Amino acid sequence: SQQGEEDPQALSIQEGENATMNCSYKTSINNLQWYRQNSGRGLVHLILIRSNEREKHSGRLRVTLDTSKKSSSLLITASRAADTASYFCATDSRSNDYKLSFGAGTTVTVRA
Amino acid sequence: DTAVSQTPKYLVTQMGNDKSIKCEQNLGHDTMYWYKQDSKKFLKIMFSYNNKELIINETVPNRFSPKSPDKAHLNLHINSLELGDSAVYFCASSQTGNSNQPQHFGDGTRLSIL
Repeated sequence: SQQGEEDPQALSIQEGENATMNCSYKTSINNLQWYRQNSGRGLVHLILIRSNEREKHSGRLRVTLDTSKKSSSLLITASRAADTASYFCATDSRSNDYKLSFGAGTTVTVRA
Repeated sequence: DTAVSQTPKYLVTQMGNDKSIKCEQNLGHDTMYWYKQDSKKFLKIMFSYNNKELIINETVPNRFSPKSPDKAHLNLHINSLELGDSAVYFCASSQTGNSNQPQHFGDGTRLSIL
């Protein structure tokens, strides 16, 4: 069964607002990654966070990781129309750090 | 130059046919993958090769056969196509295959079975 599940399934916000999406997973991990997928394109890597890290930033992106709750969040600040995409979390497992498991993603629509 | 390129972009074919999808990466990575994305956008690993050696083989029908002639190429051959094979197939690569490395994806092959 899939390891990571994103929530909500879909999110619609106004340009300039922040977007927050969550990822929950079932078993202990070594690493968690976030990806973006624009319509009709492949996934693009955004951020990797290790199990001993609690927060990472990259530009307008902020990722948190709470291993006690087995969850992660991705925050996009000051959203732009170009942020419209699907966002996926991907996790490994402690027993297998060669395989990433993806969820079905959160579809974010940023309205101009 | 495209880092991970896969061909064709679209594939429409009849049930029962055999088809191949090709993938090439110019990143110098050791590991390549095939994923299947269904209509609900759920992305599932199918196969992974590290330096031409199969390291991940998920529960995939044996009608699907990957082939890696060298570490820059990973092709996917599908025999006796079925309606349920309709999906988007993504090729990806990473430096070492370890989960502490980002994966780089191609733009997908949209397979439609009539």
